[in-house]
Amino acid sequence: DQQVKQNSPSLSVQEGRISILNCDYTNSMFDYFLWYKKYPAEGPTFLISISSIKDKNEDGRFTVFLNKSAKHLSLHIVPSQPGDSAVYFCAALHSGTYKYIFGTGTRLKVLA
Amino acid sequence: EAGVVQSPRYKIIEKKQPVAFWCNPISGHNTLYWYLQNLGQGPELLIRYENEEAVDDSQLPKDRFSAERLKGVDSTLKIQPAELGDSAVYLCASSFLNGELFFGEGSRLTVL
Repeated sequence: DQQVKQNSPSLSVQEGRISILNCDYTNSMFDYFLWYKKYPAEGPTFLISISSIKDKNEDGRFTVFLNKSAKHLSLHIVPSQPGDSAVYFCAALHSGTYKYIFGTGTRLKVLA
Repeated sequence: EAGVVQSPRYKIIEKKQPVAFWCNPISGHNTLYWYLQNLGQGPELLIRYENEEAVDDSQLPKDRFSAERLKGVDSTLKIQPAELGDSAVYLCASSFLNGELFFGEGSRLTVL
């Protein structure tokens, strides 16, 4: 039973365009959501997060949108840069359990 | 500020041999996690410590896996004996009061 799903294993985008990475979850008890970025042979690094009381959080080129009724969140990267090429994981947290559940990741390739 | 440090980065062993991984979390982070990441998957929690106490080890295969966090700082994850299916990346992460996770670079285990 996969509680956090990233249905697109890969995505290719031209440099300068928008990248949209999607994530769906099933557990309505999740109240905090995060995106992590992972380069090969490195550990995941925190990118951006959003609390369930918000529907949008923005940090520079990165914006995360949360649609609680649809149990869906998305990460927008604008404009995309070649250095953004990595695997992106979404994660969800139920603050009562402090257990992070990760999706399977989406590999983003930004083409120069 | 130093990040989460893990060693060894790579380990190749034959099945039935023991193996141990070490993690030094970010200074001041009281919560430490061990995650397992299989190829093409997201990280999956093995065990979570708050200070010295293992507060969630429900997904740790206790017949062959063990972990300890003496003095609430460094931690060691051990597998004995290793099986072919244990080949994966073992990630250590730390956080302050269950905030965002900071990951180490991981220890890649290959069991032959």
